[in-house]
Formats: sequence, structure tokens, C-alpha cells
Amino acid sequence: AQSVTQPDIHITVSEGASLELRCNYSYGATPYLFWYVQSPGQGLQLLLKYFSGDTLVQGIKGFEAEFKRSQSSFNLRKPSVHWSDAAEYFCAVGAHNDYKLSFGAGTTVTVRA
Amino acid sequence: DTEVTQTPKHLVMGMTNKKSLKCEQHMGHRAMYWYKQKAKKPPELMFVYSYEKLSINESVPSRFSPECPNSSLLNLHLHALQPEDSALYLCASSQVHGGGLGNEQFFGPGTRLTVL
Repeated sequence: AQSVTQPDIHITVSEGASLELRCNYSYGATPYLFWYVQSPGQGLQLLLKYFSGDTLVQGIKGFEAEFKRSQSSFNLRKPSVHWSDAAEYFCAVGAHNDYKLSFGAGTTVTVRA
Repeated sequence: DTEVTQTPKHLVMGMTNKKSLKCEQHMGHRAMYWYKQKAKKPPELMFVYSYEKLSINESVPSRFSPECPNSSLLNLHLHALQPEDSALYLCASSQVHGGGLGNEQFFGPGTRLTVL
């Protein structure tokens, strides 16, 4: 079965600084990878996804992620964060022939002025 | 329309009440999901409907009863809940079940449920 680890529970970053959130997955084949963002009291919004092809994926809100098979990682990055990026971020992995998503524990991002 | 809607946004109920949560999507998705999410935790899958048939029940207590009246609607009927059932209940849908596009789930805003 697939699984996801997000090593950082909480990250604080200054507005305008860069942000990187880590995600490591465990799956025997090429995974389907997702990053979701959740603002307080809201549902999950898909930031970006990786199915195949180019390993650098561009998403919404200026986010990008890079799939590295050798490191089993799918880290999320943003060059310059805005106060509105303060939220909970979940990495998720899906498998072939299975519609279940395995979510990581999440990383809380706090943005300071 | 790429939206999943959920009603109500907030619900407070007593342990003897019966209530229902509703979810609707008009993206033509044939898989729909119910998740339960506690604060600061990832969503936990409860049920999956595929082509209006229940295909996954993650050992959810019978006080939660899902229903899929048609391909656009998903309900969750609640009865005799416990205070520990208080949580954010999220609905999601996906294009088809299976890997890839089937994993790309679109989430609604959720219903915040409080059980007194």
C-alpha cells in the first residue's frame, strides 16, 4: 500500500521569502502525486498534480513541485510567499487501479509580516 | 462548473437527532466520496460511491448512512451520533475510479458538524 510522509509539522516563513514543503512517498510503481491546500475551515483545494512526464510541475497560486523518483520525493516550492499562503498543506499519493488517496499528516504554514 | 457544493455549512445536533448532509457536483464525475476530518489532521475516507453504488465502506459505524440518489448527489444521513463524531465532513468527487484521473479528487467546502 502507498503512504506519504510530511516531515515538517509546522513551518514559519516571512512574507516575501521562499517556501519549500517536503513530501516523501512510498509506492512500488510510478505514483500519482498531489498537493492540496486547506485554509482554516475550508475544503481542500488542489494546487498541482503529477501523473507522468515532466518532473517539474507548475500549479496554481505560483506553486511548483518536483518529482524525484530516486529520492521518492515530491517537494512543493514557492519563490515568494504571500500572507494568504498561510494554510495547511497536504501531500497525497494515489495508486493504479485504486481511487483511494493516502494523505500525509500535513504541514501548517504560518506567514509572518 | 468545477465545483462541489455542500450543505449545510454548519450543523449542530443532539445525540438523539436525525440530520442529513448533502453534496452536489455537476462535473459528470461518477465517483463520490465522504471524508471525516478532525482539526489539524488529514481527511479520513469514510465511503466511496462508484456509479451510484457503494463500493467502499471504511468500517464506518452504522450511525452514518450514505446515500447516492443519482450521479450528481450524495447524502450522508446521521442518527444517534456521539460527541466524538464532531468534525468537518468533506465530500469529494472524481472523474472515474482507478488510478490517475480517478485519484484527482475535487473537494467541497465541508460541513462543520458539532454533536452536543
